[in-house]
Amino acid sequence: DAGVTQSPTHLIKTRGQQVTLRCSPKSGHDTVSWYQQALGQGPQFIFQYYEEEERQRGNFPDRFSGHQFPNYSSELNVNALLLGDSALYLCASSSIQGMMNTEAFFGQGTRLTVV
Amino acid sequence: AQSVTQLGSHVSVSEGALVLLRCNYSSSVPPYLFWYVQYPNQGLQLLLKYTSAATLVKGINGFEAEFKKSETSFHLTKPSAHMSDAAEYFCAVSDLGGTSYGKLTFGQGTILTVHP
Repeated sequence: DAGVTQSPTHLIKTRGQQVTLRCSPKSGHDTVSWYQQALGQGPQFIFQYYEEEERQRGNFPDRFSGHQFPNYSSELNVNALLLGDSALYLCASSSIQGMMNTEAFFGQGTRLTVV
Repeated sequence: AQSVTQLGSHVSVSEGALVLLRCNYSSSVPPYLFWYVQYPNQGLQLLLKYTSAATLVKGINGFEAEFKKSETSFHLTKPSAHMSDAAEYFCAVSDLGGTSYGKLTFGQGTILTVHP
């Protein structure tokens, strides 16, 4: 089992540019959540995708958008990058069992640096 | 709404000493609680979880945590610290269902340093 895989591992972008981060969930998982972890902080929830739709969203601007594909993989897009978007972006996958979500498994993250 | 407070951003112990990392939560619904560990430049690894079964939860690497509803706490302990335990630890709360669909709310983290 490959677990949750994220690409790329590191990325450097210039202010104003756009970036796309990718995530493949753990085998058997159908739900993908994205978190932003700024330096020295705990992860903050960005949004969650299930059945190819955004099911829930945290307190992030519309510059942050995402997509989920039929194979459950997901992309996080950030437009008009700001210096403050520099962070570790974590993808977590889980699945629905009955009315409950299973525990989340995290990928290694993508370190985004905006210069 | 749910929230987590981790008391102490840095904890330092000697190798072989007791490790105690504190976590208090707030939740309007029955909580599910988690401890994750993060090594430098790595993702999060689940140490243990409380999902309303036994209140004393045992996890990996000798860690355990006790859910105390009356104190709204979920402190993480390990009887004897090892150098390899040095990392950052995050407490998180979720309801795993309901309207949050398993969204995790994290504390600010506690950096554990282990001295020889």
